[in-house]
Amino acid sequence: KNQVEQSPQSLIILEGKNCTLQCNYTVSPFSNLRWYKQDTGRGPVSLTIMTFSENTKSNGRYTATLDADTKQSSLHITASQLSDSASYICVVSGDTGGFKTIFGAGTRLFVKA
Amino acid sequence: DTAVSQTPKYLVTQMGNDKSIKCEQNLGHDTMYWYKQDSKKFLKIMFSYNNKELIINETVPNRFSPKSPDKAHLNLHINSLELGDSAVYFCASSQDVGEVYEQYFGPGTRLTVT
Repeated sequence: KNQVEQSPQSLIILEGKNCTLQCNYTVSPFSNLRWYKQDTGRGPVSLTIMTFSENTKSNGRYTATLDADTKQSSLHITASQLSDSASYICVVSGDTGGFKTIFGAGTRLFVKA
Repeated sequence: DTAVSQTPKYLVTQMGNDKSIKCEQNLGHDTMYWYKQDSKKFLKIMFSYNNKELIINETVPNRFSPKSPDKAHLNLHINSLELGDSAVYFCASSQDVGEVYEQYFGPGTRLTVT
């Protein structure tokens, strides 16, 4: 069964600190992996996308890594800001010719002053 | 100049009613989607249209009927609403069909069925 599991479920950090969010998946065959940021009451916004051959991708203070062998990805947030408080969703797409995109449940990040 | 817009943002209605949610994108994209985000926050694809043609129809009750009058619009009509239909519904669009294309999401419509 194709699944995307994220951890932790929620996380509280102080402003200025770094944090890392995890994503494990079983989607196969693999096409690409995206990290989305979803602010409360808003739609998800894409942060990064990585294909099989990419190990890391950065977008400002967000850096995503991918290990396609172990089927794991992480999203590292550097020098967190209050505006980083949101849900971060890992999305994995398969490569089957049909539509196979699985969304994780997300990690809810709270950044406190 | 919102890229993907949905109306209404909130919808409260009683069981058994029929309601519609509208979606419009001004990005010039060929593909549009409807997603359902339940209380556990999982986003699940419901439908996808490419150039007004239905290309994805997941296991969704036939009470849900999407309609795409043109490439820029994808509306969702729901008949005989049930309590389990309560969720946030997101519309999205992408340049073309295929998972390599980034999807742009609307702000969501929170549907509450009482």
